[in-house]
Amino acid sequence: KAGVTQTPRYLIKTRGQQVTLSCSPISGHRSVSWYQQTPGQGLQFLFEYFSETQRNKGNFPGRFSGRQFSNSRSEMNVSTLELGDSALYLCASSSDGWAGGGYTFGSGTRLTVV
Amino acid sequence: ELKVEQNPLFLSMQEGKNYTIYCNYSTTSDRLYWYRQDPGKSLESLFVLLSNGAVKQEGRLMASLDTKARLSTLHITAAVHDLSATYFCAVSNYGGSQGNLIFGKGTKLSVKP
Repeated sequence: KAGVTQTPRYLIKTRGQQVTLSCSPISGHRSVSWYQQTPGQGLQFLFEYFSETQRNKGNFPGRFSGRQFSNSRSEMNVSTLELGDSALYLCASSSDGWAGGGYTFGSGTRLTVV
Repeated sequence: ELKVEQNPLFLSMQEGKNYTIYCNYSTTSDRLYWYRQDPGKSLESLFVLLSNGAVKQEGRLMASLDTKARLSTLHITAAVHDLSATYFCAVSNYGGSQGNLIFGKGTKLSVKP
């Protein structure tokens, strides 16, 4: 059973640019959540998509956006990058978001903004 | 706002010793998760605790949940170097603006020979 696939694994971008990250959940899972992990703030929730709809959103500025496609793959976009956006971005897959079986995380995308 | 507190945040252990990591949370939740993270890697699911009194064991790790005390513990028995990693607990907060999972800050465990 394939796991959660995140691409790319590493990215280096310049301030002001934009970036798109991709997450393919486990087959059959319809919920994809995105988290930002930094040494200072820890793991913070960005948003959750379920069946192509944003179902929940964390306290991040509007520069952070996402979407989900009919095959449950999700993308996350960050526009006008700032140095503080440097982080490990993780997506989590679950069957319904209310996961008695837990959430499975992808390997993450390490974004560095210079 | 739901808060999740882990302690200790740093733990240096000798091989062969036992220790416990504590996870306290501030409001009612009936699901708690433990994850392991190796440096530069993703989160690996260790345990899912679904009810009060739940206890799960895998190898040298045992997790328990007391929903009345809002406390979960991760007990390490006879530590070995391979257990060196950062351990996170996460509490279910379905539908909350903080997200479906609220994470503690993590406990960085270092097991020394």
